[in-house]
Amino acid sequence: DAKTTQPTSMDCAEGRAANLPCNHSTISGNEYVYWYRQIHSQGPQYIIHGLKNNETNEMASLIITEDRKSSTLILPHATLRDTAVYYCIVRRDTGNQFYFGTGTSLTVIP
Amino acid sequence: GAVVSQHPSWVICKSGTSVKIECRSLDFQATTMFWYRQFPKQSLMLMATSNEGSKATYEQGVEKDKFLINHASLTLSTLTVTSAHPEDSSFYICSARGFGGTEQFFGPGTRLTVL
Repeated sequence: DAKTTQPTSMDCAEGRAANLPCNHSTISGNEYVYWYRQIHSQGPQYIIHGLKNNETNEMASLIITEDRKSSTLILPHATLRDTAVYYCIVRRDTGNQFYFGTGTSLTVIP
Repeated sequence: GAVVSQHPSWVICKSGTSVKIECRSLDFQATTMFWYRQFPKQSLMLMATSNEGSKATYEQGVEKDKFLINHASLTLSTLTVTSAHPEDSSFYICSARGFGGTEQFFGPGTRLTVL
């Protein structure tokens, strides 16, 4: 599975959009981009995933570049409860195990 | 989404004892379960993959005789840490995947402290 690179930490003002980038320059054609988050001392929570088209759900939007070498997770109106570590994972669509990187620690500031 | 539970949520044990952690899929049948370990301020590290009715596949560097995994039913997998030592203290997290599914649903984790 392709390796991902994310910034170590980010801050975002409450109510503003949080944009979390992820580089996955070695992604292959059959690999999806997944985003999970982990609030302190809890299990990871699924956010969103996509292959090549932009995706949106009730939690977030996922923007994948045309060459698929990078993506951005957007939390449109960040709240204090969105403070967590966000993991970007690239994985084939066959349901194999996830290999987590270091993730981005997002802190939402009042 | 589907619900995965873990029991216990935390456990403290003495060095040299064995500890069993349960992972259950509550509202779906999990053909595959995964076990992860997370040390403080670190990311999740995959330990092993277990398929119902067959032996688990361990990641490189994970001792299969120390971390015994049993996936005897479609709703239950157990991880037994044998002869636990303080360095085994960690946050253990399981995830589960159902029939033909690509999604993984994670449990809430179990905090193990070995004294």
